[in-house]
Amino acid sequence: EIVMTQSPATLSVSPGERVTLSCRASQSVKRSLVWYQQKPGQAPRLLIYDASTRATGVPARFSGSGSGTEFILTISSLQSEDFAVYYCQQYNSWPPPWTFGQGTKVDFK
Amino acid sequence: QVHLEESGGGLVKPGGSLRLSCAASGFTFSDHFMSWIRQAPGKGLEWVAYISRSGDSRHYADSVTGRFTISRDNAKNSLDLQMDTLRVDDTAIYYCATGEGTLTHWGQGTLVIVSS
Repeated sequence: EIVMTQSPATLSVSPGERVTLSCRASQSVKRSLVWYQQKPGQAPRLLIYDASTRATGVPARFSGSGSGTEFILTISSLQSEDFAVYYCQQYNSWPPPWTFGQGTKVDFK
Repeated sequence: QVHLEESGGGLVKPGGSLRLSCAASGFTFSDHFMSWIRQAPGKGLEWVAYISRSGDSRHYADSVTGRFTISRDNAKNSLDLQMDTLRVDDTAIYYCATGEGTLTHWGQGTLVIVSS
């Protein structure tokens, strides 16, 4: 099973700051990497797929990069509605399991 | 637009069974792969099961293999998860989602509590 490791566990930031979240895979997942955003009491929301493609309706301030084992989610200028937990997930494995990172919580400084 | 609504959650004793359902609307259900994902209270996400568009291919997480069964009824736009021999560590919110790998649309989830 591919293990996904996210860092940091928590990130305290102020609105307007640039935010960088990291996700590392235990073995290469090529570009089969997704990012989700989850707010309290809500289901996860797809942000980025194929490592760098924004999902429909996702603001341009969100961007993804990386391949192989190292991936980054960047929020160029954090907005108040972006405080949430962010998960990465790999889907290179076939058959599944598709595995998630443990999440990074972005909270208010 | 795409709408997924889970139902069937509740309180069940260890060793018991529960059947979850996911009602789909706003899209052509039979064109989409489907998955179940769960989230234990205060914890992260865990992929549970996957089913192909026709239902002829199914895969499960090791933690539920042999106990859970995923199925679908394309005529009724419905996805199910039969959960048997439930354990305390199966306690979680269970989400259904569209997609194979990339989980594009999610329902709001149904809470399953396994406790004596």
